[in-house]
Amino acid sequence: ETGVTQTPRHLVMGMTNKKSLKCEQHLGHNAMYWYKQSAKKPLELMFVYNFKEQTENNSVPSRFSPECPNSSHLFLHLHTLQPEDSALYLCASSQGQVGEKLFFGSGTQLSVL
Amino acid sequence: EDQVTQSPEALRLQEGESSSLNCSYTVSGLRGLFWYRQDPGKGPEFLFTLYSAGEEKEKERLKATLTKKESFLHITAPKPEDSATYLCAVQEGGATNKLIFGTGTLLAVQP
Repeated sequence: ETGVTQTPRHLVMGMTNKKSLKCEQHLGHNAMYWYKQSAKKPLELMFVYNFKEQTENNSVPSRFSPECPNSSHLFLHLHTLQPEDSALYLCASSQGQVGEKLFFGSGTQLSVL
Repeated sequence: EDQVTQSPEALRLQEGESSSLNCSYTVSGLRGLFWYRQDPGKGPEFLFTLYSAGEEKEKERLKATLTKKESFLHITAPKPEDSATYLCAVQEGGATNKLIFGTGTLLAVQP
């Protein structure tokens, strides 16, 4: 399998649930990212990891908790979300951290009830 | 404040009808400008990177150009399969790969 794979593709959860999004990249890249995409809004960077180390947290609420066990895997742990957190969550990877094009997964469409 | 503005928000073309999409930006120092294509239900797919004013890049029916304040994505004789949302993003000079995205142009090409 090649590219960036995200699971699940769709997720519906209640505000009291705990769930996790998974991302795996098969490109040998060193940097991984979480983006949030809401309707009519620009893609919003959430977290950046470079060589497993978090290098950016874009003022994301603590109900979103990222985890990067190695350069190929990235998780986003979700707990006590709000309805306004409903969005498409995209994972991406790049070879380096500066000036490199991003390779995106297909995203997880999250609905919070 | 750094900003990226794309226009138009939506564009409907007939097959073969050429047009251009615009991306204007205000950043303190441009490291690179990126164009992505996004199909429904998928993540964005990289098209081009432009680094300096005057630079041009082409791929099939698409041609991207860059000035000091804006970029254009020219679509020549589009086909229905070119229908997608086209996203522009800029990266300012700095130590991270943080991209500032526009809201995109939704292109529909009718046969």
